[in-house]
Amino acid sequence: GAVVSQHPSWVICKSGTSVKIECRSLDFQATTMFWYRQFPKQSLMLMATSNEGSKATYEQGVEKDKFLINHASLTLSTLTVTSAHPEDSSFYICSALPGTRGDTQYFGPGTRLTVL
Amino acid sequence: AQTVTQSQPEMSVQEAETVTLSCTYDTSENNYYLFWYKQPPSRQMILVIRQEAYKQQNATENRFSVNFQKAAKSFSLKISDSQLGDTAMYFCALGGGADGLTFGKGTHLIIQP
Repeated sequence: GAVVSQHPSWVICKSGTSVKIECRSLDFQATTMFWYRQFPKQSLMLMATSNEGSKATYEQGVEKDKFLINHASLTLSTLTVTSAHPEDSSFYICSALPGTRGDTQYFGPGTRLTVL
Repeated sequence: AQTVTQSQPEMSVQEAETVTLSCTYDTSENNYYLFWYKQPPSRQMILVIRQEAYKQQNATENRFSVNFQKAAKSFSLKISDSQLGDTAMYFCALGGGADGLTFGKGTHLIIQP
């Protein structure tokens, strides 16, 4: 149980284009989902907290107009990187908080984004 | 602000040995959770063990156990009878509930055959 998927697993795009990453909780409902970013050989940094039906809360220093988050249902959150640039290349990981055990996050497999 | 410090960038032990990974943290919260996550080369984050701060008893999960010292804000992970499959990055994390997690920089654990 507590499986989280992400799609796509990797994506390459040209500078200036937008990319959407999906995060789904497959066997549970998640009122809250989180988006993290991980640079090579570094730790995970929280970007934003996504709550179903409301606006996302962004961490300090994260541009909310560049990283658009939509949590439209209890099983789906999306992260759209708008007008991507090479410095946005990174590994993006989502996590979801099950409603029945609301203290442990379960992570998706991550999405590797490369912006050329 | 919350902080998590892992002071061992890399550790290497022989298979079947016991290894302890260190973690210290700082928070002004009274109620919080501490976690150890494992990240193998696939980069999938896997929960190893969790500890609720209000519980004094140290959490255990099979070969994995923690030494939680709340007053010292220390949360170390002990892996007994280490196996080759334990080779991975290990991240200590603080938070839980509806809050995002604050991660340490990680410890790269290598189990040698």
